[in-house]
Amino acid sequence: EAGVAQSPRYKIIEKRQSVAFWCNPISGHATLYWYQQILGQGPKLLIQFQNNGVVDDSQLPKDRFSAERLKGVDSTLKIQPAKLEDSAVYLCASSLAGTSGDNEQFFGPGTRLTVL
Amino acid sequence: GESVGLHLPTLSVQEGDNSIINCAYSNSASDYFIWYKQESGKGPQFIIDIRSNMDKRQGQRVTVLLNKTVKHLSLQIAATQPGDSAVYFCAEKGSWGKLQFGAGTQVVVTP
Repeated sequence: EAGVAQSPRYKIIEKRQSVAFWCNPISGHATLYWYQQILGQGPKLLIQFQNNGVVDDSQLPKDRFSAERLKGVDSTLKIQPAKLEDSAVYLCASSLAGTSGDNEQFFGPGTRLTVL
Repeated sequence: GESVGLHLPTLSVQEGDNSIINCAYSNSASDYFIWYKQESGKGPQFIIDIRSNMDKRQGQRVTVLLNKTVKHLSLQIAATQPGDSAVYFCAEKGSWGKLQFGAGTQVVVTP
């Protein structure tokens, strides 16, 4: 079974520039998550999708971050404009369904973003 | 707010010895916990989970203990191997499957 795919793996940009990350979840997984992991910290949930609908985006900085999952499969996370404090690894995860609470989340390798 | 935290940032253990990683949580209503392993350059990987109606759960070389009285859980790794070197996170699972992670413990296995 193929895992969660993410691209790019690394990205370096200057502050105030824009950047986008892409995630392809495991086939058949209805729930998709985006996490931000700052160096030395645990992942923090940014947004959760159930199919193409947003379940939780309470910790997404909506003034600069946006995410979409238009067809309920792939997802993109965008930052515009980027700030220095956005430097982190952005992890995508997927699970069969999030509502039961017991479905295991499978994580992708992440995209390491460096903002200069 | 409620949080999940870890006691030690780094744990150095000799190969073959047992490792114990500790985690404290503050939300007494939490009923489901997961331990993850994260190797360098990779995403977190599920190790073992435990529900609040259990005190102990065993997997292959790993055991998770849950003490609800003091809101503490631990991960024990038996006969630690070089491949166990990684950052270990405990996470609390809330509604809609939302995970709240602690800061992590770096385990370094020495020969």
